[in-house]
Amino acid sequence: AQKVTQAQTEISVVEKEDVTLDCVYETRDTTYYLFWYKQPPSGELVFLIRRNSFDEQNEISGRYSWNFQKSTSSFNFTITASQVVDSAVYFCAEDSGYALNFGKGTSLLVTP
Amino acid sequence: DVKVTQSSRYLVKRTGEKVFLECVQDMDHENMFWYRQDPGLGLRLIYFSYDVKMKEKGDIPEGYSVSREKKERFSLILESASTNQTSMYLCASGHKREVYNEQFFGPGTRLTVL
Repeated sequence: AQKVTQAQTEISVVEKEDVTLDCVYETRDTTYYLFWYKQPPSGELVFLIRRNSFDEQNEISGRYSWNFQKSTSSFNFTITASQVVDSAVYFCAEDSGYALNFGKGTSLLVTP
Repeated sequence: DVKVTQSSRYLVKRTGEKVFLECVQDMDHENMFWYRQDPGLGLRLIYFSYDVKMKEKGDIPEGYSVSREKKERFSLILESASTNQTSMYLCASGHKREVYNEQFFGPGTRLTVL
């Protein structure tokens, strides 16, 4: 079965530290899509990035970067110079055909 | 901007009541989804719909039904609410996979069943 594992349940860092959130996925599909979402304390999930299985290029967007490695079935997310506003639960997900199969999330707390 | 709205942010119901949760999206998305989110369990798919009047069971459909009479609206129905259905319910919509399939989420409905 398709599965997404986020081994880190909670991470706490001090502002300006870099932090990496791990995501490992399992799939039998050759074409698949991976996602990261952010859920701030307000509760609404916010889409961050979508990556397809044919594109292993790393992505950088401001302080955010994503490292997709098919060889290790990983799609890790790094926040550089973290800020208090980055405090949220972050979900990794894989497209199982129609719906998304989510990991259990990593709760990130950034303290001043 | 994509907008997914849900009829209520907070809802309190009694055991045995019939509960309707409504979701509306304004982006002409083909697919719509209902998830529930519980601490330690992440998001679990209840039902989804890939077209009007079409529905598919997700991972945890028991105790729920859905209705999609119009493309923009997807309703989740709890026929007889029970306390174990107390949860956060999230609606999402998205295009079909071949187009651009990230899902956009509504703000959620926190349902409490007493």
